[in-house]
Amino acid sequence: ETGVTQTPRHLVMGMTNKKSLKCEQHLGHNAMYWYKQSAKKPLELMFVYSLEERVENNSVPSRFSPECPNSSHLFLHLHTLQPEDSALYLCASSQDEGLAGSDTQYFGPGTRLTVL
Amino acid sequence: GQNIDQPTEMTATEGAIVQINCTYQTSGFNGLFWYQQHAGEAPTFLSYNVLDGLEEKGRFSSFLSRSKGYSYLLLKELQMKDSASYLCAVRDSNYQLIWGAGTKLIIKP
Repeated sequence: ETGVTQTPRHLVMGMTNKKSLKCEQHLGHNAMYWYKQSAKKPLELMFVYSLEERVENNSVPSRFSPECPNSSHLFLHLHTLQPEDSALYLCASSQDEGLAGSDTQYFGPGTRLTVL
Repeated sequence: GQNIDQPTEMTATEGAIVQINCTYQTSGFNGLFWYQQHAGEAPTFLSYNVLDGLEEKGRFSSFLSRSKGYSYLLLKELQMKDSASYLCAVRDSNYQLIWGAGTKLIIKP
């Protein structure tokens, strides 16, 4: 399944670094998501973009900054992260079909982030 | 608060049948999803239930009872490749997905 791709797959960064995660979807969807996945915890929704507008921001620290330049691309800019931010960061996309649809989300393989 | 409960880990034998349960308490209900996630890989969509009853897809079936806030995923004729985590998620009245922590399924020969 290559409908949603993410780069890099692995990233190690220091607390003072600035890096960006990239997500691209090839499914023609109109909504994109960033999730954080920590071991043995539920997926945590971070940001949602629908039609390139941010519609959800779940109290995420400002050291995470999303960007959605078009409906196919999504970025997560990282700066001055903390060790507890180490996790798998997953991108997903869906087609927002309104009330009648399932709006199934399709995920990328994730970026394994380690903050030293 | 909103909550999704599923067992942390289950073990089953190759060729057997296993049922993974999911119970939920959410503000409203607009569908329930099951995903499979192999270690180090993306979650992949398995099934979607919005009405009560059983949905069958090959070796996998998913059941929903909205009145009981309960679903299960049934896996038949287990294969070693079915070893993975299985995630239950419910869409609430705000159309937000609420996720369970996942059930790690271990298949033994």
